Amino acid sequence: DTEVTQTPKHLVMGMTNKKSLKCEQHMGHRAMYWYKQKAKKPPELMFVYSYEKLSINESVPSRFSPECPNSSLLNLHLHALQPEDSALYLCASSQVGRSPRNTEAFFGQGTRLTVV
Amino acid sequence: KNQVEQSPQSLIILEGKNCTLQCNYTVSPFSNLRWYKQDTGRGPVSLTIMTFSENTKSNGRYTATLDADTKQSSLHITASQLSDSASYICVVSNMNYGGSQGNLIFGKGTKLSVKP
Repeated sequence: DTEVTQTPKHLVMGMTNKKSLKCEQHMGHRAMYWYKQKAKKPPELMFVYSYEKLSINESVPSRFSPECPNSSLLNLHLHALQPEDSALYLCASSQVGRSPRNTEAFFGQGTRLTVV
Repeated sequence: KNQVEQSPQSLIILEGKNCTLQCNYTVSPFSNLRWYKQDTGRGPVSLTIMTFSENTKSNGRYTATLDADTKQSSLHITASQLSDSASYICVVSNMNYGGSQGNLIFGKGTKLSVKP
């Protein structure tokens, strides 16, 4: 199984709503990532979890709250978002290690988020 | 500054023709270079991954080359098909950033359109 599964595929939420994005992988990867991608732009790194601990936060606003409950799951909790937060949110996972091979990242299909 | 530049920005070719996409990078220290295919609104899918010691890597009709001396890579697509229409993203990994899981530096992608 080389899949990273993201749910939901599409999400429309109001600025006062609270919602969560979910990501799941069963490849035994111990590094998981959240990226944000606006139209016609490359993905931008948001968070990195390594061994279920937050290791990188790219100065993301607190209205985005990541959570890694176990080695297979990664959540992104959303609260009080702004319309400019509308984007494709991508989850990725990889092995952790110093071998260059271990840093290949597998991406999920993304969640298309629209904030109204 | 770590950067990945891709050319051309966009490309239109006829079905059955070959094409070559270019990627130049200034990333140090270099870990590996990957080419991803991304359909609109979907997550990137890995095509090839190469370390500095690898010059060529093939995946079906896709062949990637890497010249670590000139810091250039190319992705050659042979006998193009309509389903090849997508964005092709060059991603270079910098092992020093954020510890062992590395940092992925994305190019802006080349948008390929294959016409019948």
